[in-house]
Amino acid sequence: AQTVTQSQPEMSVQEAETVTLSCTYDTSESDYYLFWYKQPPSRQMILVIRQEAYKQQNATENRFSVNFQKAAKSFSLKISDSQLGDAAMYFCASHGSGSRLTFGEGTQLTVNP
Amino acid sequence: SQTIHQWPATLVQPVGSPLSLECTVEGTSNPNLYWYRQAAGRGLQLLFYSVGIGQISSEVPQNLSASRPQDRQFILSSKKLLLSDSGFYLCAWSVPLGQTNEKLFFGSGTQLSVL
Repeated sequence: AQTVTQSQPEMSVQEAETVTLSCTYDTSESDYYLFWYKQPPSRQMILVIRQEAYKQQNATENRFSVNFQKAAKSFSLKISDSQLGDAAMYFCASHGSGSRLTFGEGTQLTVNP
Repeated sequence: SQTIHQWPATLVQPVGSPLSLECTVEGTSNPNLYWYRQAAGRGLQLLFYSVGIGQISSEVPQNLSASRPQDRQFILSSKKLLLSDSGFYLCAWSVPLGQTNEKLFFGSGTQLSVL
């Protein structure tokens, strides 16, 4: 079984600043993927970034990057140059063989102008 | 391009009434299909998934059922709704690229209120 924990129910950041959202996971799998999804007020789920566990290099998508620490089972999301449109609920998720995508409880990000 | 349609967007139903939520995918074939439920301010709970027509796997025991009568159609049903069935229901699809390399694409969701 997999578990995903997001210890920050809420976070806030000033526009143009950087913020890091935390995520830890627990899995017995050796092969798995990790994801960050964004859910804006429209409630549409949007894939932000994906990391393959076998890759040591941290994934990057424009202003979004991850800090993947496999030994610590940590997968944090860094948002640089935060924009008002980044305000949303962010979900961390893991996916291993023989199982489905498991989501954390989410972190509500507020971006202050 | 692939699109996913989910309807209705909102639904208010009395306790004990039946439920039918429909989801269809266009632009792909043989997708994996999923139903998730999200309680207010909470994460997503997987309810059902399907890897093919007529193949349904249930993740949690509940008052709901799912069916896949066609390759790109996924239906969530209940014979008698309970108050606890209220929530935001999301349909999702993926093209399996490997057992672990699975990116989900979500519909726009249905907000169900059982009164």
